[in-house]
Order: sequence, then structure tokens, then C-alpha cells
Amino acid sequence: KQEVTQIPAALSVPEGENLVLNCSFTDSAIYNLQWFRQDPGKGLTSLLLIQSSQREQTSGRLNASLDKSSGRSTLYIAASQPGDSATYLCAASNYGGATNKLIFGTGTLLAVQP
Amino acid sequence: NAGVTQTPKFRVLKTGQSMTLLCAQDMNHEYMYWYRQDPGMGLRLIHYSVGEGTTAKGEVPDGYNVSRLKKQNFLLGLESAAPSQTSVYFCASRMGSRTNQPQHFGDGTRLSIL
Repeated sequence: KQEVTQIPAALSVPEGENLVLNCSFTDSAIYNLQWFRQDPGKGLTSLLLIQSSQREQTSGRLNASLDKSSGRSTLYIAASQPGDSATYLCAASNYGGATNKLIFGTGTLLAVQP
Repeated sequence: NAGVTQTPKFRVLKTGQSMTLLCAQDMNHEYMYWYRQDPGMGLRLIHYSVGEGTTAKGEVPDGYNVSRLKKQNFLLGLESAAPSQTSVYFCASRMGSRTNQPQHFGDGTRLSIL
């Protein structure tokens, strides 16, 4: 059974710092892995999706990597800004095709201090 | 460009009451999902649908029923609400089965059962 863990649960950094958020998963036979952002009282916004055949994906200041052999994914945020403050969730799917059931971690709450 | 819309946004019920949560998507997506989010447990899949007229059980289906009579709508029903069903409910949709297609989420329904 797939389990997804995100450590730390909370992180506080000063503005401008580069940072890495960690996501670990137990079953390396994943189909894809998604990183989401959740603002307080809001839904989830998809940031990046890494397919099983890929090693990383980039969007603006965000870079996500995937290492199936070690069961790890990281989300790198460059030059952090106060607007990056949110909860970041990773979710792994071991199901392809129509199902694509996602198993979520409990998230990392990021606070970027001005 | 509404995306995924959930109705209602908030609701308070008494134990034993019934209600239906509505999810509507305007992206012509084939697949739809219902999750619940609880503190410390992440998001967990309740039910999902791979097309109009089809539904399937997820990780935590007990106490819920679903229907997908129209492609754009996915309904989640609670027949006899229990305090354990107090949660934030999220609906998501996905275009198709390709590996690079992410799930898109609504803003959630916050449900309290007294």
C-alpha cells in the first residue's frame, strides 16, 4: 500500500531564500506524482506533475524532481517570496489509465517572512 | 472560465440528516473524484467516476453515495450524516487518462455535523 510522507510539517524562511520541500513514498511503482499548493480556506492548485518516465519538471521559480529508486521527490522554490506562503502537498499515483487514484501526504506549511 | 465549482461552500447538519454536495466542471473532463480532507490525515479518496453513468469506490466510501448522471456533474450524498463525516470535501476532475494530465480541484465544501 502506497504511503506518502512530507517532512517537515512546517517551515519558516526569510524572503529571498532558496528552499527545498521533501516528499517520500513507499511504493516506487508510481505512475505520476503531483505537487499542489493550498491556500487557507481554498482548494488545491496543481503546480507540477512529473510522469514516471521523467526526472524533473520546471515552472518558473519551481522545480520538482523525482527519484523512484530512493522513493523521493523534492520541490525546489527559488528566491522565495511572501506570496509563496501556503501549504504544499505532494500526491503519488500508482494507477494509470482512467483511475489515477492519488495518495496524498499531509503537507508542508510554508511561511516566507518579509 | 469557472473550472470546478462546488456547491454549497459551507453547511451545518444535525446527526441523521441527509444532504447532497454538487460538483460541476465546465472543462468537458471525463474523470471526476470526491476527496475528504481531515487534519493530520491528508486527502483521502471517497468515490470516483471514469465517465457518465459510472462510479467506483475509493479508499473511504462508507456512508457516502455518488451519482454521475451528466458528464459535467458529480454528486456526493450523505444519507444519514454522522459527526465522523465532519470534514472538508473536495471535488476534482481530470481530462483523460494520459500520464501528463493533472487533477483539477474545486475550492471545497466545509461540512460540520453536530
